[in-house]
Amino acid sequence: DTGVSQNPRHKITKRGQNVTFRCDPISEHNRLYWYRQTLGQGPEFLTYFQNEAQLEKSRLLSDRFSAERPKGSFSTLEIQRTEQGDSAMYLCASSLDGGAWETQYFGPGTRLLVL
Amino acid sequence: AQKVTQAQTEISVVEKEDVTLDCVYETRDTTYYLFWYKQPPSGELVFLIRRNSFDEQNEISGRYSWNFQKSTSSFNFTITASQVVDSAVYFCALLGSSNTGKLIFGQGTTLQVKP
Repeated sequence: DTGVSQNPRHKITKRGQNVTFRCDPISEHNRLYWYRQTLGQGPEFLTYFQNEAQLEKSRLLSDRFSAERPKGSFSTLEIQRTEQGDSAMYLCASSLDGGAWETQYFGPGTRLLVL
Repeated sequence: AQKVTQAQTEISVVEKEDVTLDCVYETRDTTYYLFWYKQPPSGELVFLIRRNSFDEQNEISGRYSWNFQKSTSSFNFTITASQVVDSAVYFCALLGSSNTGKLIFGQGTTLQVKP
């Protein structure tokens, strides 16, 4: 049973460029979450999906951020016009659709550096 | 508001010592779950344990044990006979009934186990 996978693992970009990250959840998991983690801090919730429906978005998710999960399987997180403050680790997690209490299993993350 | 506090930023021990990582939480929810995750240098968050608010029994898993006390809103984690491979950042997290699917993380405790 494979875990959550994320690509790319590392991304370096220049300020103002757009970037897109991909997350593939554990195959039978219906829920998918995105978190952001800055250096020395715990992860902070960004958004989550149940199947293809985006159910909640954090205020951290500015208009430059968009997440999709078009077929209820993998998800993408796009950041437009990146800023240096977007530099962080972006973590994806998935869980079974047993309600909000199911344990979230995390992927290895995508580390973004905006120059 | 929900909050998780891990007051210990960094702990350093010598191999084979016992070490306890503290976690204090705040929530007004009567139903909630508490989690511990381990984040090794590779970056992936590894799930260790979850407890629900109605189960205050302590749990032991090998060298790991957890002490949940609702009276003090604490969920502490003890590693017995620590090993170098235990070196990582450890996060405590809260999932409350009012925060559907959104894990609230503490700032993490960096544990360094020296040989």
